[in-house]
Amino acid sequence: GAVVSQHPSRVICKSGTSVKIECRSLDFQATTMFWYRQFPKQSLMLMATSNEGSKATYEQGVEKDKFLINHASLTLSTLTVTSAHPEDSSFYICSAPRWTGVETQYFGPGTRLLVL
Amino acid sequence: TQLLEQSPQFLSIQEGENLTVYCNSSSVFSSLQWYRQEPGEGPVLLVTVVTGGEVKKLKRLTFQFGDARKDSSLHITAAQTGDTGLYLCAGPPNSGGSNYKLTFGKGTLLTVNP
Repeated sequence: GAVVSQHPSRVICKSGTSVKIECRSLDFQATTMFWYRQFPKQSLMLMATSNEGSKATYEQGVEKDKFLINHASLTLSTLTVTSAHPEDSSFYICSAPRWTGVETQYFGPGTRLLVL
Repeated sequence: TQLLEQSPQFLSIQEGENLTVYCNSSSVFSSLQWYRQEPGEGPVLLVTVVTGGEVKKLKRLTFQFGDARKDSSLHITAAQTGDTGLYLCAGPPNSGGSNYKLTFGKGTLLTVNP
């Protein structure tokens, strides 16, 4: 079964509004979670690392004020796309690491964002 | 910076054919993971290879980790339409930096036609 969930799975919003996406680890704790962005038929692009109890670490070129990340608890990280514009439309995916003897990432099902 | 090069980028084959996808790097990885992603969904872990030279089988899928742990391959035998998807290889850093921060290959988009 799924070990990482995301909500919502799809969201349509008007330009200028903010959208919050939740990522939850379902039966394990994750002090670190990762947020990715994916364009059609392309690989995942890491946006930021969400750290429980401290600030998120953003990849080069990702606007911190645009993509707000809050790691509220050991099982929840949120990504807020602020003042969304059509170019922010994309597939957003989170992941959480779980130790299984080796480093293993478990991915959420993704959130499709469409900004009109 | 550790990079993973995947090839081919796109692959379209007929049902029943065999195929191999490659994942190469100039860097050594402690492990490599293979994922399959279907449209509109998140990637699903297929396998993790850890030991150089390791071979793992998952039904019709065979995964191999290079002896030097710099490359990996995925071979699918008698492909089925259900194998269609984006195949991604990924590996963690050796630098001891952010835990579990994966480096991804660009992916291989596989289409199996009936």
